[in-house]
Amino acid sequence: KAGVTQTPRYLIKTRGQQVTLSCSPISGHRSVSWYQQTPGQGLQFLFEYFSETQRNKGNFPGRFSGRQFSNSRSEMNVSTLELGDSALYLCASSPDGQVGTEAFFGQGTRLTVV
Amino acid sequence: GENVEQHPSTLSVQEGDSAVIKCTYSDSASNYFPWYKQELGKGPQLIIDIRSNVGEKKDQRIAVTLNKTAKHFSLHITETQPEDSAVYFCAAIFTGGGNKLTFGTGTQLKVEL
Repeated sequence: KAGVTQTPRYLIKTRGQQVTLSCSPISGHRSVSWYQQTPGQGLQFLFEYFSETQRNKGNFPGRFSGRQFSNSRSEMNVSTLELGDSALYLCASSPDGQVGTEAFFGQGTRLTVV
Repeated sequence: GENVEQHPSTLSVQEGDSAVIKCTYSDSASNYFPWYKQELGKGPQLIIDIRSNVGEKKDQRIAVTLNKTAKHFSLHITETQPEDSAVYFCAAIFTGGGNKLTFGTGTQLKVEL
């Protein structure tokens, strides 16, 4: 069974630009969560989608948004990029059930904002 | 508020020794506690988890214990090997305000030869 796939692996963007990251969950998993990982703040929850609906959201500004498609694939978008958005963005998929249980992570997308 | 505290932040052990990492959580309603291992350049890997109706769970050299009364849980790695060197994260699901997985700050484990 294929794992969680995130693309691209690396991105370099300029301040003010926007970026879209993609996540393909494990086959059969309908819950997709996104996390931001930085050395200073650690792993922080962004949002979670289940059956194309956002079920839960973390404490991030509205510049961070996401969506989920009917095949469970998910995208997250960050608009008006700031230097502080430089981070590893991780996607995790979970089988049906309680949010976050048995969450399997992808390798992440390393975003650098210059 | 939602909080998971993890100790120690760094841990160095000799190969073959045991390693213990401890976490405490703030929400008494939390019911799911996973542990993740993250190697350099990779995403976190789920290594073991425990639910609130169980006090202990073991998988080969890895075990997790949960004390719901004290709101703490621990990861135990026995017979450590160099490939166990990584950053380990504990996490807990907080049920208030919508379920979400909250992580500890991580423990850098180094297994020395």
